[in-house]
Formats: sequence, structure tokens, C-alpha cells
Amino acid sequence: AQSVTQLGSHVSVSEGALVLLRCNYSSSVPPYLFWYVQYPNQGLQLLLKYTSAATLVKGINGFEAEFKKSETSFHLTKPSAHMSDAAEYFCAGGADGLTFGKGTHLIIQP
Amino acid sequence: ETGVTQTPRHLVMGMTNKKSLKCEQHLGHNAMYWYKQSAKKPLELMFVYNFKEQTENNSVPSRFSPECPNSSHLFLHLHTLQPEDSALYLCASSQAASDLYEQYFGPGTRLTVT
Repeated sequence: AQSVTQLGSHVSVSEGALVLLRCNYSSSVPPYLFWYVQYPNQGLQLLLKYTSAATLVKGINGFEAEFKKSETSFHLTKPSAHMSDAAEYFCAGGADGLTFGKGTHLIIQP
Repeated sequence: ETGVTQTPRHLVMGMTNKKSLKCEQHLGHNAMYWYKQSAKKPLELMFVYNFKEQTENNSVPSRFSPECPNSSHLFLHLHTLQPEDSALYLCASSQAASDLYEQYFGPGTRLTVT
């Protein structure tokens, strides 16, 4: 069965520092992968998606993610964190039914 | 209205009450979903509708009853709920019920069962 694992339920970075949120998937077939962001009291908003067109995917708000088949990873990065990036981030993947990771709470320190 | 809307945004109900959650999408999509989001748990898919037909029911208790009268509207009827059903209920829609298509989420209904 498809599974998505997000390493670290909480990640804390300083404003201006690199953001790295980790996501690993398990699938016997090439997956479709997504990153969503959820701000307090709101629904999930799509940041970016991978559908095999390109391994480096650029999303909104300066985020990007790289699909690495050899590592079964789809980590989310942003070169310079902003206070407004503080939110919950979810990795999701599907090859036979969409599965969400447990989420990573990103904390930005001033 | 644009995107996916949900009403009400907040709902408090007793265990003997009957209430309904409403979701409407203005994106021209053909698939709609109900998710349950509880604290410290992954997002749980409850129901999937594709072209108004229910295609998935993830072992959801019968006290939750979905209804999809058309591709734009989705309801979740609630009755005799339990306190552990308190959660954020999210509705989503996509072009079709395929993993290829991203899902667009509504803001959710915060449900508290007393």
C-alpha cells in the first residue's frame, strides 16, 4: 500500500534561513506527489505537485521540491524563510489512492 | 463565490442532534471528497464521489451519511455523534477522482460534539 512519511512533526528555523521539510514515499509505481500548506483555521492550499514532467518542481511562495526516485523522497525547500511561512505542511502522494503524511509544523523564529 | 466553500464554519452539537455540513465547489470539478482532520492524526479520507457516484467509503461509521445531489454540491449528514467525532471536517474537489489531479480544499467546518 502507498504510504507517505514526513520526518519531524515540528521544524523550527530562523527568519532568512533555509527551510527543509522532508517527505518520503513508498510506492511500487511512480507516484504523483503534492505539497500542501495549511494556515490556522483554514483548509489546505496546494503549494506544488509532481507528475513526472520534471524532477524539480517550483511552487508558490518561493517553495520548490525535488523528486528523487533513488531516495524515494520529495523534500520541500525554500532558500529564505519568512515569518508568513509559519504553518502546517502536508506531503501527499498517490498511485492507487491519495495518502497524506501526518504533517510538519513549521515555526519561524525572528 | 470562488473555489470551495463550506458551511457552517463552526458547529457545536449534542450527541442526540441531527445536523448537516454543506460543501459547494465553483471550479467545474467532477469529484468531491470528505476528510476528517483530528489533532495529531493524519488527514483521514472519509468519502469520495466521482460524477455524483460514491466510489469510496473508508469504513466510516453509519452515523456519518454523505449525499451528493450533483457535481457541485456535497453534504455530510450527522446524527447521534460521539465526542471523539469532534474534528475539522474538510471538503475537497478535483477534476476527477484520480491521483493525477490536485485536490482543492474548502476552509473546513470545526465540529464540536458535546
